Amino acid sequence: DTGVSQDPRHKITKRGQNVTFRCDPISEHNRLYWYRQTLGQGPEFLTYFQNEAQLEKSRLLSDRFSAERPKGSFSTLEIQRTEQGDSAMYLCASSFRRGLQETQYFGPGTRLLVL
Amino acid sequence: GQQVMQIPQYQHVQEGEDFTTYCNSSTTLSNIQWYKQRPGGHPVFLIQLVKSGEVKKQKRLTFQFGEAKKNSSLHITATQTTDVGTYFCAVSTSGNTGKLIFGQGTTLQVKP
Repeated sequence: DTGVSQDPRHKITKRGQNVTFRCDPISEHNRLYWYRQTLGQGPEFLTYFQNEAQLEKSRLLSDRFSAERPKGSFSTLEIQRTEQGDSAMYLCASSFRRGLQETQYFGPGTRLLVL
Repeated sequence: GQQVMQIPQYQHVQEGEDFTTYCNSSTTLSNIQWYKQRPGGHPVFLIQLVKSGEVKKQKRLTFQFGEAKKNSSLHITATQTTDVGTYFCAVSTSGNTGKLIFGQGTTLQVKP
């Protein structure tokens, strides 16, 4: 399977704990995006990388959230001191921009439940 | 910030009936994309429209981009149970970033 993969697929944690999610993009893709999706809503942009550089972060991304893409390949999203409001599906997408054309391919997501 | 409104929120149809979802923006869009998300799944890219008045077809699906590039629609002819899911429109913001702003989605239920 050469699609976007995410790990873990599900995570249950207690409030106040730290969690880390991993995303492995499609290998030739230079862009990687993180989105968050809550029930009944469309995905909301969190942050994106071009190669290893983090170029934009949403105001949704509080200081408790940090993302890295150290070698321009896989990425991690860490949430520190989780809160119940962090419960959501965290989606990763990757793309290769060619001119104005860019198609984002989404991974299966990590579903986080904070108790 | 940029927003897109999508209607209706839900649609229940009998198998074989047609279905349409609409996406509207108050500002001119550079392009619009459509995604499908099956229950329990992740968004899957369907199509991108970039030209004013553009119409594209994929089998039973017809996508339109308005002349003013402020609205778009997805029409499914003769729905099948495999069409069940949530359909999202998404727009990319201006500039070099490809971040997507998604509509709220239209959830389609098809009764066999």
